Amino acid sequence: EAQVTQNPRYLITVTGKKLTVTCSQNMNHEYMSWYRQDPGLGLRQIYYSMNVEVTDKGDVPEGYKVSRKEKRNFPLILESPSPNQTSLYFCASSLSTSGANVLTFGAGSRLTVL
Amino acid sequence: AQSVTQLGSHVSVSEGALVLLRCNYSSSVPPYLFWYVQYPNQGLQLLLKYTTGATLVKGINGFEAEFKKSETSFHLTKPSAHMSDAAEYFCAVSGPFNKFYFGSGTKLNVKP
Repeated sequence: EAQVTQNPRYLITVTGKKLTVTCSQNMNHEYMSWYRQDPGLGLRQIYYSMNVEVTDKGDVPEGYKVSRKEKRNFPLILESPSPNQTSLYFCASSLSTSGANVLTFGAGSRLTVL
Repeated sequence: AQSVTQLGSHVSVSEGALVLLRCNYSSSVPPYLFWYVQYPNQGLQLLLKYTTGATLVKGINGFEAEFKKSETSFHLTKPSAHMSDAAEYFCAVSGPFNKFYFGSGTKLNVKP
């Protein structure tokens, strides 16, 4: 089944404890992206990648890191999480970067930072 | 820069009534327009999209949307609401390099 898989789905952590949210897609998609969803703000892009070893900042990149060493994986790293990073996170992928391509989303990762 | 405005963060309709969710966008280039739906505890799923061609776009589950360039709108409609339509709906516009801009979402409540 074609899908985007995120782990963990739920996580409660404490301020400053490094964590990684994994994202993997099995569709050979070139483009991958991370979003955070907050009430009343919709989805905001954190980072994106147009291909292996090519990543760039989105609209809200502060406090996050990403890497794209393999085409299928695009982990999101929070080096020192803070309470304002409590949010619902979505990874998404698409076939290419044409803009007309549909984004396929993972099921989401709900992160709480205490 | 592109942006999306969804009018009404919450919309409530009775089962069987018309559903109308409003979306206006701003874009300096011909836009690609999307509606996504999010059911509780799930990711976003595509309802429909407009790229080129016919301005009335039909999607899944009986939804459709009309691209009106003169009004910069892409409103979502469904003639008869069903209980299973209760969800949050997001309008989005995209452009070069797959840069997506999402609206703030509209939660649809369907009353029996």
